[in-house]
This record gives sequence, structure tokens and C-alpha cells, in this order.
Amino acid sequence: DTGVSQDPRHKITKRGQNVTFRCDPISEHNRLYWYRQTLGQGPEFLTYFQNEAQLEKSRLLSDRFSAERPKGSFSTLEIQRTEQGDSAMYLCASSYGVAGVGETQYFGPGTRLLVL
Amino acid sequence: GQQLNQSPQSMFIQEGEDVSMNCTSSSIFNTWLWYKQEPGEGPVLLIALYKAGELTSNGRLTAQFGITRKDSFLNISASIPSDVGIYFCAGLRYNNNDMRFGAGTRLTVKP
Repeated sequence: DTGVSQDPRHKITKRGQNVTFRCDPISEHNRLYWYRQTLGQGPEFLTYFQNEAQLEKSRLLSDRFSAERPKGSFSTLEIQRTEQGDSAMYLCASSYGVAGVGETQYFGPGTRLLVL
Repeated sequence: GQQLNQSPQSMFIQEGEDVSMNCTSSSIFNTWLWYKQEPGEGPVLLIALYKAGELTSNGRLTAQFGITRKDSFLNISASIPSDVGIYFCAGLRYNNNDMRFGAGTRLTVKP
């Protein structure tokens, strides 16, 4: 399967713990996106990378959230000091993007986080 | 937050019926996309639209990019039980890369 993969698929943690999620994009894709989705809503954009550069991070929900893509391939999303309100589905998407041209984002299966 | 208004919120239809849902925005988008999401899974791309006025089909699905670039619709013809799921519209602008989603249309198909 050459689609976007995410690990883990599910994570249960206690409030105050740190969690890290991984995303492996489609191999030839240069752009990688993180979204959060809460129940009954569409995905909400958090941040994106073009290759290893994080080009947009102002939409990250707080300074407890951070993302990396050190080698321009896989990415990690870390949430520090988790709170119950962080419980959601975290989705990763990737695309091949060229400036000024429409692109299509393909999503992974998501990581469902439950903070107790 | 979401800037796209998607309607209806939910639909209950009989197998074989046609379905129509739409998305409107106060802002212009350069690309409109339609995704389907099933429980516990990520959204799966159905149709992508890149030009105003574009009408694109994918099997029983047809979608159009509105002329004003502020709206799009998705039609599903002759619905079948496996069409069940939540359908999301999404809009993308070239100058920033955060894709905005509608709140979704939940489709239920009765056999």
C-alpha cells in the first residue's frame, strides 16, 4: 500500500502526558499537512511542510503543539502536557505541490487520541 | 474555524435515489475538493475541481466548481448502501495552503 500512513491509529493517555504521532506521506509528495478533527466537524488545518521546511504554523492550537519533518519525508506531531480538550482525531495529508498550481491532498487514516 | 457552509447536514434516502449536496463560501477558492469519510478512517478524495465552471464526473458522482468560485455541489446518482458516510467539501487557495472544510453531510441510505 503506497498511501499515507499514520501511527499509532489509537492512543489513550492521561492528562499531562506527552504524546507523539508519526505520519509517512506518499513517497513522491513534497508537502505534508496536519489536521485535527473533532466529532461532527470537518478537519481543521494545523500546520504544513514543504519538504523539511515548516511553512505555516500559526494555526497550531497552542505552544504545546509542535511538528517536525527533519528529512523531508516522515513527520511527527507532538502534544505536550495533554489536556482533555486535545481528544480528537489527528489527520495527516500529503500532496505534490507547485506554487500557484492547484493540488490534491491525500489523507491518512488518522490517529484517534483520547485524553483521560 | 470553518468558512464553508455545507448543506444539508444530513440526508436519509432510499436506495436508488439521487442525492445532491452543496457548499458555499463568502470567499473565493482556487480549488474545490469533495471527500468521503467513514467512521474511524481518514477522508478519501472523491473529486477535485480546479477551474471555475468545471463539471467533473467520477462514476455515479458529479461535482461542479461554481462560476463565482464561491460554491460547489456534489451529486450522487442511483445511491447504493455503500454510499453511506460523511461527505465533506473543501476549498483551497493558492496563496495559503490551509484547506478549509465544510462541516460535512451525513448520508444514510436505506436498502
